[in-house]
Order: sequence, then structure tokens, then C-alpha cells
Amino acid sequence: SQELEQSPQSLIVQEGKNLTINCTSSKTLYGLYWYKQKYGEGLIFLMMLQKGGEEKSHEKITAKLDEKKQQSSLHITASQPSHAGIYLCGADRTFSGSARQLTFGSGTQLTVLP
Amino acid sequence: EAQVTQNPRYLITVTGKKLTVTCSQNMNHEYMSWYRQDPGLGLRQIYYSMNVEVTDKGDVPEGYKVSRKEKRNFPLILESPSPNQTSLYFCASSFRQGYTDTQYFGPGTRLTVL
Repeated sequence: SQELEQSPQSLIVQEGKNLTINCTSSKTLYGLYWYKQKYGEGLIFLMMLQKGGEEKSHEKITAKLDEKKQQSSLHITASQPSHAGIYLCGADRTFSGSARQLTFGSGTQLTVLP
Repeated sequence: EAQVTQNPRYLITVTGKKLTVTCSQNMNHEYMSWYRQDPGLGLRQIYYSMNVEVTDKGDVPEGYKVSRKEKRNFPLILESPSPNQTSLYFCASSFRQGYTDTQYFGPGTRLTVL
């Protein structure tokens, strides 16, 4: 089965700093999903990447997929307290670009200090 | 408002006492899924349903049952709960748009089995 490792497991940054979260897969990534979760709450969809070299941005969050390295990175520019939460990457197991059977990483807990 | 609702949000029960966690979505999505989230293990899929009367096992189906008699509802049934089923449970639904799925998650149900 596919395994996803996220790093770091936790991250504490000062407001305004940039940060990067990585998600590395033991197998080739065909579809990579990023979600954000507030503690004890549901997941909010951020972005989905499908093609090698693909890069997407939403507000101050940018995600990239490097298929050769079987890795995706999530970069936040000028972090704010509202960015705090748990970031999860999920990989499509069916190779169809579907979010229907996802394997998730264990998450990165982000704290942004004001 | 488009949403996935779960009930109850919090539940404390005892070993062996049957329980049902309800999940309902108002977006007419065909696909629905149940996950459990545990510290250090991330999110793991329990069961999923591609449509009414079509269900299949995910990664950790043991000890759980589901049914999909109507499109909007996908209840999770624990016939004889055990302490190792203490977890945070999420229901999700999704639709396909082009080559990608967008998955919506419910707010979660925190279950404690004593």
C-alpha cells in the first residue's frame, strides 16, 4: 500500500515568516490533495495536483508536485495566525485522479505566533 | 448551504452497545465515505459508497457496517463497539468535475468507547 510521509510533523513560526511542508510518497503520485484541518474539525480542501511539475496557488498558499521525486510541497508566504492548523496531504490510490480512495499522511501541525 | 452533517458530534458509550453515527449531505453527491482519524496514524478510510446500494471496504472496515439506502444518507454502524474504536470519525462526500474530485468533509464525530 502507498505510504505518505509528511515533514515536519509540527512547525512553529512567527507571523510573517514563510514556511514549507513536504509530503513524500513511497510510490508514484498520480493525484495529490492538500487539506487543512482545524483541531477537532473537518477537513477543508485546499488544492489538488495531478501532473508532474504542476504548481497551484491560492491566496498565499502554493503547492507543487514533483513526480520524479514522488514529493509535493506546500509553501505559505507571509504566514498569518489564520493559517494555523493541521495540514494533510492525501494521495489517490486508484491512479484515476479521483479523490475517492485517498491515503493520507499523518499531518503537519502548524502554529503561527502573533 | 452545501454541507455534510454528522450526528452526534460527541458520543461516549460502553463496550458492546450498538450505535449508529449518521451522515447526510445535501449536494446530491454520488460518492460518500467514512474515515477515522487517530494520532500518529492520520486519516484511514473505513468504507465508501459509489452510489445507492453500492458500498465497499476501505482500509480499516473491521468492526463497522454501513448502508446506503438513499443518496443523501450514509450511516456508520458499530454493532458491538470496542475501546479500540475510540476515534474521531469523518464522513465525506464528493462529486467529479472533469478529471478531479472535490471532497467535502463533515465536522467530525468524536467517539469514546469505555
